[in-house]
Amino acid sequence: QSVLTQPPSASGTPGQRVTISCSGSHSNIGSNTVNWYQQLPGTAPKLLIYSNNRRPSGVPDRFSGSKSGTSASLAISGLQSEDEADYYCAPWDDSLNGPVFGGGTKLTVL
Amino acid sequence: QVQLQESGPGLVKPSQTLSLTCTVSGDSISSGGYYWSWIRQHPGKGLEWIVYFFYSGSTYYNPSLKSRVTISGDTSKNQFSLKLSSVTAADTAVYYCARLWGGYFDYWGQGTLVTVSS
Repeated sequence: QSVLTQPPSASGTPGQRVTISCSGSHSNIGSNTVNWYQQLPGTAPKLLIYSNNRRPSGVPDRFSGSKSGTSASLAISGLQSEDEADYYCAPWDDSLNGPVFGGGTKLTVL
Repeated sequence: QVQLQESGPGLVKPSQTLSLTCTVSGDSISSGGYYWSWIRQHPGKGLEWIVYFFYSGSTYYNPSLKSRVTISGDTSKNQFSLKLSSVTAADTAVYYCARLWGGYFDYWGQGTLVTVSS
């Protein structure tokens, strides 16, 4: 049971915009920036968004992140079949003095 | 390009010690600014941070695993290692090593599955 709450699943059709939410508390999202990871089937997680809304080199601008209070969101616009993956939010947690991960959201492209 | 590669036994018996090594290329584990870490993922489940350390400084443990975890580094081989003692079936997972910087993991190994079974 994670201290962060993500919907277990999300879906959309190609070209659509989907959002994935992540709800936390003051000790994590409320006090720190949020990072997002994408895990394609059978592969290691990959950094997708860092510091709330910054994209590493090579990540398409279809992916964006935002944060408000103790919640964060990942938005994917122009959905593509290759976006089908698990997505994890992961802010730092001051109580843990380490990162915490959400339970993950499985995105299905219909 | 920074690359990390995990290695170690894929099968460990209950009550024994799990030992894994991460070999780093493209960066030095003794260079300043980065932490080196271990993360695991139980089959079909989410991610769990285990430990991270700064080679010439501090080590930070997930409190839930602290009593069983040891991490060490070998600069001559540019490797760092994880030892998890007294393992049970609940420690069966894919173990990843990763570089930690600014609160996020920017480079990951491909992961290695460790099964705890007699």
